[in-house]
Amino acid sequence: AQSVTQLDSQVPVFEEAPVELRCNYSSSVSVYLFWYVQYPNQGLQLLLKYLSGSTLVKGINGFEAEFNKSQTSFHLRKPSVHISDTAEYFCAVSKGNTGFQKLVFGTGTRLLVSP
Amino acid sequence: DAGITQSPRHKVTETGTPVTLRCHQTENHRYMYWYRQDPGHGLRLIHYSYGVKDTDKGEVSDGYSVSRSKTEDFLLTLESATSSQTSVYFCAINTAQGREETQYFGPGTRLLVL
Repeated sequence: AQSVTQLDSQVPVFEEAPVELRCNYSSSVSVYLFWYVQYPNQGLQLLLKYLSGSTLVKGINGFEAEFNKSQTSFHLRKPSVHISDTAEYFCAVSKGNTGFQKLVFGTGTRLLVSP
Repeated sequence: DAGITQSPRHKVTETGTPVTLRCHQTENHRYMYWYRQDPGHGLRLIHYSYGVKDTDKGEVSDGYSVSRSKTEDFLLTLESATSSQTSVYFCAINTAQGREETQYFGPGTRLLVL
């Protein structure tokens, strides 16, 4: 069975500082990895995804993530955050890339950006 | 925007009453999903559909049923709502970009069972 661990439930950071949100997964098979962002009272929006190829994935809003197979990690980074990045971030893993995709989500990390 | 709407967006109901939530999509996507979101649990899959009249259970399906009589609509029913079903419910669809498919989510329905 697959599982996703987001170790930090909340990450406070000052505006313009760099941030890393951690995600580790466990799976006995090859996986596909995703980061979603949820702004207050909204649905989930796809930030980026890793399906294959380059292990460094760039997403929207200046975010990027690096897939590390040996450490089973897919950490999300941004070199300089804005107040508007305040949101909850979810890491997810899937075995499939087409057809039925069972996404297994982590419990989320709340990013709090203050001035 | 993947053309997903959910209705109602907010609902308050009483324990023991039936509740139906609707997910509507406009782009003929085959796969549709229902998730619930609870603090400390992230999102968990309730049911999914892979075509008209074709549905299957997810990891937290007890107390829920679904129906899909048209491609565009996927209904989630709580036959007899309980307080433990107070949650935010999200519908999702698979959209294809070339050979890749990605799940996109609707805006959510906030359900309170008193």
